[in-house]
Amino acid sequence: NAGVTQTPKFRVLKTGQSMTLLCAQDMNHEYMYWYRQDPGMGLRLIHYSVGEGTTAKGEVPDGYNVSRLKKQNFLLGLESAAPSQTSVYFCASSSLAGEGNEQFFGPGTRLTVL
Amino acid sequence: ILNVEQSPQSLHVQEGDSTNFTCSFPSSNFYALHWYRWETAKSPEALFVMTLNGDEKKKGRISATLNTKEGYSYLYIKGSQPEDSATYLCAFLYGGSQGNLIFGKGTKLSVKP
Repeated sequence: NAGVTQTPKFRVLKTGQSMTLLCAQDMNHEYMYWYRQDPGMGLRLIHYSVGEGTTAKGEVPDGYNVSRLKKQNFLLGLESAAPSQTSVYFCASSSLAGEGNEQFFGPGTRLTVL
Repeated sequence: ILNVEQSPQSLHVQEGDSTNFTCSFPSSNFYALHWYRWETAKSPEALFVMTLNGDEKKKGRISATLNTKEGYSYLYIKGSQPEDSATYLCAFLYGGSQGNLIFGKGTKLSVKP
């Protein structure tokens, strides 16, 4: 099992460009999450999904959109990138059946917006 | 606004020292408390998931306790080793949260050989 994978690992964008980050998990987890990690801020939830076809806003959703068309994939889109979106993005997944909802994290995507 | 506080923010110890960190969380509507270990350039990995008041969990030299009535958890590391150097995150899961964790900002531990 690969667990949680993220594509790409690194990306540099210019202000105004768009891109999509892909998260995939092979553990048949119902829940999936996108976080961003900034120095001194910890992990902040951007959007999450409790099942295929459903998405919801987290703590910092502005400037991002998400889609969960297949249970194993959770896409994070930036329609018009801004320098404030320079960050490291982590995807995670968890099982409805797991004790206390332990989350499994991907390796992260480092995004720089110039 | 739900808040999870961790202290200290950072800690520098010598190899062989024992150490502990604190996580404070809301004492109402508790569902679970998570501890994650996050090494530099890697992704967070779960150490413990604790759900019951009075829980004590242990993994090798690392252990954790939970007090849900007063809203705190302690993480202990006995005989720290350089490979224990990492950021330790705690996260609070409340009832009805749809699985969303509220993360603290972490305690960064550096263990000098």
